[in-house]
Amino acid sequence: GAVVSQHPSWVICKSGTSVKIECRSLDFQATTMFWYRQFPKQSLMLMATSNEGSKATYEQGVEKDKFLINHASLTLSTLTVTSAHPEDSSFYICSVPPGLAEYNEQFFGPGTRLTVL
Amino acid sequence: GQNIDQPTEMTATEGAIVQINCTYQTSGFNGLFWYQQHAGEAPTFLSYNVLDGLEEKGRFSSFLSRSKGYSYLLLKELQMKDSASYLCASMDSNYQLIWGAGTKLIIKP
Repeated sequence: GAVVSQHPSWVICKSGTSVKIECRSLDFQATTMFWYRQFPKQSLMLMATSNEGSKATYEQGVEKDKFLINHASLTLSTLTVTSAHPEDSSFYICSVPPGLAEYNEQFFGPGTRLTVL
Repeated sequence: GQNIDQPTEMTATEGAIVQINCTYQTSGFNGLFWYQQHAGEAPTFLSYNVLDGLEEKGRFSSFLSRSKGYSYLLLKELQMKDSASYLCASMDSNYQLIWGAGTKLIIKP
């Protein structure tokens, strides 16, 4: 299956700072990636779809100016949480969408735990 | 509309069998996934059903009834390592996934 990495795996930052999370596809080219957020004891919530070479598509209610997505190459997508606040503390996960795997399953990165103090 | 439901939590005994149910309402239904997620980790793929019937894969099996909008994940010979959350997700015709809230499975010795 596809291998997806994320960096960093965890980060602690002060309120008001910006945090960049990288998502890399290691063994294939991904024109599209999904970014999810998961709060404790809740399910995955799709934030946005990252498109290589074009603007990301954001889900309703997700502030595009706060969560900046850049998909500059076929192997790298980045999510920047700008001016982070404690309520942004969450588990952020990227994934490669269906269509690239045998069963159309998504392959997830290991996730990034963000804690904003 | 799009909706998906599964129980919040279930408890089972090591060595036993457990069935986790999932009901869905999805426009342009294009298959149903089950994922396993251990605490603090990303989900990992377990199964995909798009046709009616039972798919068996080792100790895990998944069933789908499209007419009823219903699926279940069956786990046999439960092991302590099976303690995790199990996420049900339906896929629509645009390959978008609609995720359930997950069922936390607690295995007791």
